[in-house]
Amino acid sequence: DVKVTQSSRYLVKRTGEKVFLECVQDMDHENMFWYRQDPGLGLRLIYFSYDVKMKEKGDIPEGYSVSREKKERFSLILESASTNQTSMYLCASSLRRATYGYTFGSGTRLTVV
Amino acid sequence: GENVEQHPSTLSVQEGDSAVIKCTYSDSASNYFPWYKQELGKRPQLIIDIRSNVGEKKDQRIAVTLNKTAKHFSLHITETQPEDSAVYFCAVTLYNNNDMRFGAGTRLTVKP
Repeated sequence: DVKVTQSSRYLVKRTGEKVFLECVQDMDHENMFWYRQDPGLGLRLIYFSYDVKMKEKGDIPEGYSVSREKKERFSLILESASTNQTSMYLCASSLRRATYGYTFGSGTRLTVV
Repeated sequence: GENVEQHPSTLSVQEGDSAVIKCTYSDSASNYFPWYKQELGKRPQLIIDIRSNVGEKKDQRIAVTLNKTAKHFSLHITETQPEDSAVYFCAVTLYNNNDMRFGAGTRLTVKP
């Protein structure tokens, strides 16, 4: 069974902390994505990566950075967490073209207090 | 960039009725249009998709129609069942693009 695994299901962090969200896929997919999901706003693309060490900004990259040192792992980093980054974060992966469809992880619900 | 609008944001139907969700997009070059279903507490999963060279696609009780001229596409669910209750997202991408843009989602509730 195809899998995208996010390391934490729930996370509570304090304002100003550095936060790492990890995502691992076992499908040898080239593309990996980070979205945040908020009520009424749907899924908004933060960053994506189409190859190791490559990254592209999505629609809302401010306050975030990413790292892809290995093909199977894509990390989202909040350099200094703020309360407006409280959200559900979804990782996804796909083959080279998005038209093969995304496989999503189960999500990490991050609360910044 | 691509702008995707999805309506309605919430939809409540009686079991057995039909449900229709519509999305509009802005980039006329977009040519791949998937729909994802997200049940409560679960990950979004692809349920059906359509490419721009096709006007309609069916899979049992669900269908998607595409009007490229008007730049909108719709998800149709017939004979709805309580297990169809979920949030549905439309998405849009260019065929050779790596990434997709999603609509804001529609929360569908099917009442028994």
